[in-house]
Amino acid sequence: DTGVSQDPRHKITKRGQNVTFRCDPISEHNRLYWYRQTLGQGPEFLTYFQNEAQLEKSRLLSDRFSAERPKGSFSTLEIQRTEQGDSAMYLCASSLETRNTEAFFGQGTRLTVV
Amino acid sequence: AQRVTQPEKLLSVFKGAPVELKCNYSYSGSPELFWYVQYSRQRLQLLLRHISRESIKGFTADLNKGETSFHLKKPFAQEEDSAMYYCALSLFGNQFYFGTGTSLTVIP
Repeated sequence: DTGVSQDPRHKITKRGQNVTFRCDPISEHNRLYWYRQTLGQGPEFLTYFQNEAQLEKSRLLSDRFSAERPKGSFSTLEIQRTEQGDSAMYLCASSLETRNTEAFFGQGTRLTVV
Repeated sequence: AQRVTQPEKLLSVFKGAPVELKCNYSYSGSPELFWYVQYSRQRLQLLLRHISRESIKGFTADLNKGETSFHLKKPFAQEEDSAMYYCALSLFGNQFYFGTGTSLTVIP
């Protein structure tokens, strides 16, 4: 296990198409987070899971976005009917369920909507 | 509401000079504060957290609850310190709020 991995690393899609990203967390981590980062901004929280339960969603996560973590291991983030404004780096992170815990980040999936 | 503010987007210092990256936060409870760093072409990684009160790569950060600040400091900057630095606040580990980041350039 070399850390959090995300797939694909880059995705170019046409506006209106659906895209799905995958995140594999560090195996013993029960928390998994999705963030979005646009140019010049820090990562913005989208949602997080504790095991398979999605416990919190940001208002940034519109109805076109859906995230799952079906068996409490890997997670997927799907964006339906993509818009140009969805172009961003999508980051996944995982952590243990403790206070002051460190979140380990993946390298991200860069989405470009054309 | 903006919970973490990093007022400087860009900061340049000469090698060997002291460096301070500013971070202010807004949260009324007991915050969990972190500094994350992103070196060129690498993933975001933890630099230090306030609870551990340790020095990492010569960097320290002190939580000042009165001023609601968590500034990152290093007495003598090195070229390898050039990177993007993000201050982050965690709410019981449920999520992390990040600042907009400060790009540090250490001039040889």
